Amino acid sequence: GAVVSQHPSWVICKSGTSVKIECRSLDFQATTMFWYRQFPKQSLMLMATSNEGSKATYEQGVEKDKFLINHASLTLSTLTVTSAHPEDSSFYICSASSEGSAYEQYFGPGTRLTVT
Amino acid sequence: GQNIDQPTEMTATEGAIVQINCTYQTSGFNGLFWYQQHAGEAPTFLSYNVLDGLEEKGRFSSFLSRSKGYSYLLLKELQMKDSASYLCAAMDSNYQLIWGAGTKLIIKP
Repeated sequence: GAVVSQHPSWVICKSGTSVKIECRSLDFQATTMFWYRQFPKQSLMLMATSNEGSKATYEQGVEKDKFLINHASLTLSTLTVTSAHPEDSSFYICSASSEGSAYEQYFGPGTRLTVT
Repeated sequence: GQNIDQPTEMTATEGAIVQINCTYQTSGFNGLFWYQQHAGEAPTFLSYNVLDGLEEKGRFSSFLSRSKGYSYLLLKELQMKDSASYLCAAMDSNYQLIWGAGTKLIIKP
């Protein structure tokens, strides 16, 4: 149980375009979803936290107009990187927790974004 | 401020035992997590400690001392597949995970 999927697993896009990444909890209801970014050889950096039906809470330094997060249902959250730049190239990972297990986050497999 | 410290890299021999230390400072405390992350993959959950003491789970054990703000992950009977980064994360009073930079563990035959 507690499986989280992400789609796509990797994507290459051109500068200036937008990319949408989906995060789904497959066998549980994710009341909270987290979006992380990880640059090579660095730890996870939390970008934002979203609760179903509410606006996401962004970490300091993360542009909410550039990284659009939608948590429309208890099983789906999306991250849209708008007007992508090469410096947005990174490994984006989502995680989810359920109301009954708020202490544990289940991670998706990650999405590798390359902006050319 | 909130901070997690763990060694950047460690090397150990196949079949041996290794201990990865982690110290933390957080605003409030709701537990200490250890995750394993292989290169290019997402982290996978290893352990969660909220009370002082040692939690054993197969070849992996995790220890917590709340008074010292200290935890360690103990890996026994090391296998080559244990080569990975090990992330320490402490949960603060807002139930937010504060992540360490990770310890890259290299296993040599």
